[in-house]
Amino acid sequence: DVKVTQSSRYLVKRTGEKVFLECVQDMDHENMFWYRQDPGLGLRLIYFSYDVKMKEKGDIPEGYSVSREKKERFSLILESASTNQTSMYLCASKTEQGAREQYFGPGTRLTVT
Amino acid sequence: GEDVEQSLFLSVREGDSSVINCTYTDSSSTYLYWYKQEPGAGLQLLTYIFSNMDMKQDQRLTVLLNKKDKHLSLRIADTQTGDSAIYFCAEHYGQNFVFGPGTRLSVLP
Repeated sequence: DVKVTQSSRYLVKRTGEKVFLECVQDMDHENMFWYRQDPGLGLRLIYFSYDVKMKEKGDIPEGYSVSREKKERFSLILESASTNQTSMYLCASKTEQGAREQYFGPGTRLTVT
Repeated sequence: GEDVEQSLFLSVREGDSSVINCTYTDSSSTYLYWYKQEPGAGLQLLTYIFSNMDMKQDQRLTVLLNKKDKHLSLRIADTQTGDSAIYFCAEHYGQNFVFGPGTRLSVLP
């Protein structure tokens, strides 16, 4: 059974704090993604990674960075959290070969006060 | 950039058919997808269609693709209360996926 887990379901942080969101997949997938989900806007891609230590900017990378030191783990970092980063964050993974399906984690709802 | 559009809300009565519509902009998309998101959960792939197909049926789900108009629809037959969720249309664009804003389907008893 495929699994993508995210470190927290709910998180509350203060403006200016450094925030780490962790995502782990157990499917040996090459590709991993971070999205944010906002009502009426759908999912917007923040960053993605094709392989260990590789990363590419998505549509809205400003204010975020990522780290992929191990294949199974993809971290999203908010260097200095701001209130406009209050959102639902979704991690996904996908194999490079054949299948097209992205597998999603349950999401982390981050509130920045 | 690429854009995927959907209406935001749809209400149907239990037992009726639901039709969720989507338009996309990238004519070179190879795959188009429908994902379902239940409350408090991540997205789950419902079905997908390859761009050279017009229709795909899977039990209660029927996907229709009009490539000329760049229009995709998802029909759910005999809609049940368990079908209440947000449905996202997505296109496979280059290396990435572009998602629509999601349609919130409410099923009324």
